[in-house]
Amino acid sequence: EPEVTQTPSHQVTQMGQEVILRCVPISNHLYFYWYRQILGQKVEFLVSFYNNEISEKSEIFDDQFSVERPDGSNFTLKIRSTKLEDSAMYFCASSSDRGTEAFFGQGTRLTVV
Amino acid sequence: EDQVTQSPEALRLQEGESSSLNCSYTVSGLRGLFWYRQDPGKGPEFLFTLYSAGEEKEKERLKATLTKKESFLHITAPKPEDSATYLCAVQAMKTSGSRLTFGEGTQLTVNP
Repeated sequence: EPEVTQTPSHQVTQMGQEVILRCVPISNHLYFYWYRQILGQKVEFLVSFYNNEISEKSEIFDDQFSVERPDGSNFTLKIRSTKLEDSAMYFCASSSDRGTEAFFGQGTRLTVV
Repeated sequence: EDQVTQSPEALRLQEGESSSLNCSYTVSGLRGLFWYRQDPGKGPEFLFTLYSAGEEKEKERLKATLTKKESFLHITAPKPEDSATYLCAVQAMKTSGSRLTFGEGTQLTVNP
């Protein structure tokens, strides 16, 4: 069964460092997303991406964050100058169309120390 | 602002004891309501999509229903493997990027 894969599963980084979280969406999907979940809190939308550009972003997704689809299969989230409060699970998701269900990866646990 | 409220926060059932989880929502024009299951340390796993009031979907011991203000996830004769956090999310018509707004979830524990 097709699935969204994310790497790494766990990343520890020092405050102020840059991290890149990687995702391979389901192959025939056209819409890609990043969400995050701080421990014990709800899943929060960060950004959606379609046709090689950002289609929507939340208030959380400020200049510290960027997304890219560097090739036909990968989708990345870059966090510049990480802060302690960036520690969270980051989920990548993809869907085949607007309004259809999004399928989530298993997440990358980011720990900023 | 779109809002999703789930209740109860936690629910403990005995195996075979049926119950329902509630998801109340406020959204300016609902495109879809989604139910997910989340196991600890894992990503949300898709269960159902509901698009209009009166719609129902079923899968094994789970049945999801939708009204204009809320959705219910009915669990019939649950088993211990149904233990998980169940998440409800809404997608508004106005979203340009298919944003999902999630509730806090209901943590379900089914005891053998």
